[in-house]
Amino acid sequence: ELKVEQNPLFLSMQEGKNYTIYCNYSTTSDRLYWYRQDPGKSLESLFVLLSNGAVKQEGRLMASLDTKARLSTLHITAAVHDLSATYFCAVEETSGSRLTFGEGTQLTVNP
Amino acid sequence: GAVVSQHPSRVICKSGTSVKIECRSLDFQATTMFWYRQFPKKSLMLMATSNEGSKATYEQGVEKDKFLINHASLTLSTLTVTSAHPEDSSFYICSVGGRMVGEQFFGPGTRLTVL
Repeated sequence: ELKVEQNPLFLSMQEGKNYTIYCNYSTTSDRLYWYRQDPGKSLESLFVLLSNGAVKQEGRLMASLDTKARLSTLHITAAVHDLSATYFCAVEETSGSRLTFGEGTQLTVNP
Repeated sequence: GAVVSQHPSRVICKSGTSVKIECRSLDFQATTMFWYRQFPKKSLMLMATSNEGSKATYEQGVEKDKFLINHASLTLSTLTVTSAHPEDSSFYICSVGGRMVGEQFFGPGTRLTVL
């Protein structure tokens, strides 16, 4: 059974600071996704990582994937309040199959 | 990307009644749709995979007789919560796989409250 673990689950940080969210998974996969969820809302797709060594950046967020280590990271640079949300990673075992989600990281960026 | 809608966005019902939630892929023919459930402050849990023209595939622990799924067309899947109870209160989200590898588009979700 595929297990996906995120760390930390709760993150409170100050504006302007940098931090990294980690996503570990238990079986072989080269398809990993990052989503953002605002309170009461559905998921917003942030990144799709489809190969070992994949790195993608959008604004203050950068995601990477190391399939050998079964690890993905979501790095936040110079955080701003608007980034406050819950971030989920999700792993797809085989192409077109269902996603298994991590527990989510609730990020709060304080002024 | 694909536009996915859900209806209703919010529903409150009495215990024992049945509730139908619709998931529509507005601009894409989806042979497969996924139904997730999310309890407050928790992650998304896959309930079932909805396949057009065939029976849905349910995850372990999800009662297929309680959560009826119908995927009658390439643009519509429905989830019916039968004889709803307060413990079924949750946020239900559907998703549609896109044309490109790795694409998956989520609907806006339906918040169900069972009194």
